[in-house]
Amino acid sequence: GQQLNQSPQSMFIQEGEDVSMNCTSSSIFNTWLWYKQDPGEGPVLLIALYKAGELTSNGRLTAQFGITRKDSFLNISASIPSDVGIYFCAGHPPREYGNKLVFGAGTILRVKS
Amino acid sequence: EPEVTQTPSHQVTQMGQEVILRCVPISNHLYFYWYRQILGQKVEFLVSFYNNEISEKSEIFDDQFSVERPDGSNFTLKIRSTKLEDSAMYFCASSVVTGVTEAFFGQGTRLTVV
Repeated sequence: GQQLNQSPQSMFIQEGEDVSMNCTSSSIFNTWLWYKQDPGEGPVLLIALYKAGELTSNGRLTAQFGITRKDSFLNISASIPSDVGIYFCAGHPPREYGNKLVFGAGTILRVKS
Repeated sequence: EPEVTQTPSHQVTQMGQEVILRCVPISNHLYFYWYRQILGQKVEFLVSFYNNEISEKSEIFDDQFSVERPDGSNFTLKIRSTKLEDSAMYFCASSVVTGVTEAFFGQGTRLTVV
């Protein structure tokens, strides 16, 4: 089946540092989405990517849809305490594999002030 | 801003009891989903629903589970006879179309089976 491998599993960084996390797969995806989840809350969409090679920014966040359609990264610049949370990549596989979103295992981000 | 709303936020139930989790998707969305997240684990797909029928379901979504859109706004997940391992956060999501657009998630219902 379609699986996403997300890394790193967790990060503990100093406030102000940049952060990078990524997702890879052995199979292609049609879209890549990055979500953030705060404790006890649902995933909140951060960035959506629709085309291979696409690079999209949302404030301090930048994400790219890999040219092979098998990977994506998310960068957070100049981290702040409220960036703390779990970041999930998610993707839509090709239609023949169904219409569900597949999620990565998440990256736990902790920020030290 | 439109959002997906879920009720209740927390449900405690005894093993073997039936539970119904409720969701109000975003009003112009056509595709509805239920996902589950066991504590500390990743979000897992349960079922998708379109045009008043299930369009896809995972192996988790066995005969104990059912979904319904009883009226024009609500979307429910029923677990007929809960087991301890059903304890998880259950998220409802909706999207305008499927497969190529983003899904928006509700805040979740924490189900605790005791």
